[in-house]
Amino acid sequence: QLRESGPGLLKPSETLSLTCAVSGASISNTNYYWAWIRQPPGKGLEWIGSVYFNGTTYYSASLKGRLAMSVDTSKHQFSLRLTSVTAADTALYYCARESFYIDGSGYHYLQWFDSWGPGTLVTVAS
Amino acid sequence: ELVLTQSPATLSVSPGEGATVSCRASETLYSNLAWYQQKPGQAPRLLIYHASTRATGIPARFSGSGSGTEFALTISGLQSEDSAVYYCQTYNDWPPLLTFGGGTKVEIK
Repeated sequence: QLRESGPGLLKPSETLSLTCAVSGASISNTNYYWAWIRQPPGKGLEWIGSVYFNGTTYYSASLKGRLAMSVDTSKHQFSLRLTSVTAADTALYYCARESFYIDGSGYHYLQWFDSWGPGTLVTVAS
Repeated sequence: ELVLTQSPATLSVSPGEGATVSCRASETLYSNLAWYQQKPGQAPRLLIYHASTRATGIPARFSGSGSGTEFALTISGLQSEDSAVYYCQTYNDWPPLLTFGGGTKVEIK
């Protein structure tokens, strides 16, 4: 199971910090990445980024300069930090478990999301 | 930039009938496509991966097909509980770029 937690309401230019608690499975499982996906109200899904238990991260190009993700294996959780938020960052934020594939050269190819948290709504408004 | 275009935007189907949702990619995806179902107020649920492999616990009335740039999700014998928005998603790109389609809303008449 995954469950997101976060502030709910932020002002423009502030930093968004979200945490996803993982239970019923080990966050150190080498078979999965841990991801964040968001969904603006009434709109579609957008992949934000993914993190591996050892700290390896991949980010969406559109958010790369403002985004940081991390894993805390001792607390069985992973986190997202998004700086300089604007109204465009208002969305339902989901955390998810993600499958991946390793090719013969050791590259990690991210794949599908097979388990999701219920989501947490983040609103950016002055 | 890879783009996934889903059609139609909305599909209205009677109970017991079949429904097909299409997903077209702007470049070849081989079979690297997944489908999700999202009911109102809920998180998405994985239905299909590798274009045609059903995820654990998904009923056999859900099937995926296609490869390359044209994909389809078919729901046979629609039930009221299948009313939802369906999304396609591509993967296995390098560097990683995970893209979702815009979604198709399936309504039960």
